[in-house]
Amino acid sequence: KAGVTQTPRYLIKTRGQQVTLSCSPISGHRSVSWYQQTPGQGLQFLFEYFSETQRNKGNFPGRFSGRQFSNSRSEMNVSTLELGDSALYLCASSLESQGYGYTFGSGTRLTVV
Amino acid sequence: QQQVKQSPQSLIVQKGGISIINCAYENTAFDYFPWYQQFPGKGPALLIAIRPDVSEKKEGRFTISFNKSAKQFSLHIMDSQPGDSATYFCAASMAGMAAGNKLTFGGGTRVLVKP
Repeated sequence: KAGVTQTPRYLIKTRGQQVTLSCSPISGHRSVSWYQQTPGQGLQFLFEYFSETQRNKGNFPGRFSGRQFSNSRSEMNVSTLELGDSALYLCASSLESQGYGYTFGSGTRLTVV
Repeated sequence: QQQVKQSPQSLIVQKGGISIINCAYENTAFDYFPWYQQFPGKGPALLIAIRPDVSEKKEGRFTISFNKSAKQFSLHIMDSQPGDSATYFCAASMAGMAAGNKLTFGGGTRVLVKP
């Protein structure tokens, strides 16, 4: 079965712009989570959506937002991009509702210049 | 605040040797401890996971040892192979619907297996 699909794979944006990243979870998975991965901070939790509701949010500024659609697909948006937002953004989906059996996508590599 | 501390940051092991990675956590509410393997250009992939009611779990060449009283857990990779060269992350999550699907990750260990 298809895995977690993230688009685009690579993105270059200019400081101050905004960006939208997309994630299609595994069919049947209702939980979608987003993580930021950087060499300095490692893997950090951004937020989680379950059945279109944000259930959990990490310690990131309000410039980071997300949403989930009725088909479980999710998008995350970063407004007013900063150089420090350059990172690999990972999406993970889960069938269960409690942190078990995560499957990650390959991520979107965002570079802010 | 880093709630899961992982060590070492990197290690080099000869083919056939044992790789050992350690993690320590602070939050006693954690009840699920997975390990992930990540290759360059890929997302992390679940390797093996353990619950605190079990002291050890083995899957093939990979073993998790768990010490609840010490709040520590470790990953042992037996008979390490060059294909095991990757970055390994320990993680932890809490039970309960309110906690949801939030994983707290350790800092990662880059493992290099020399042939």
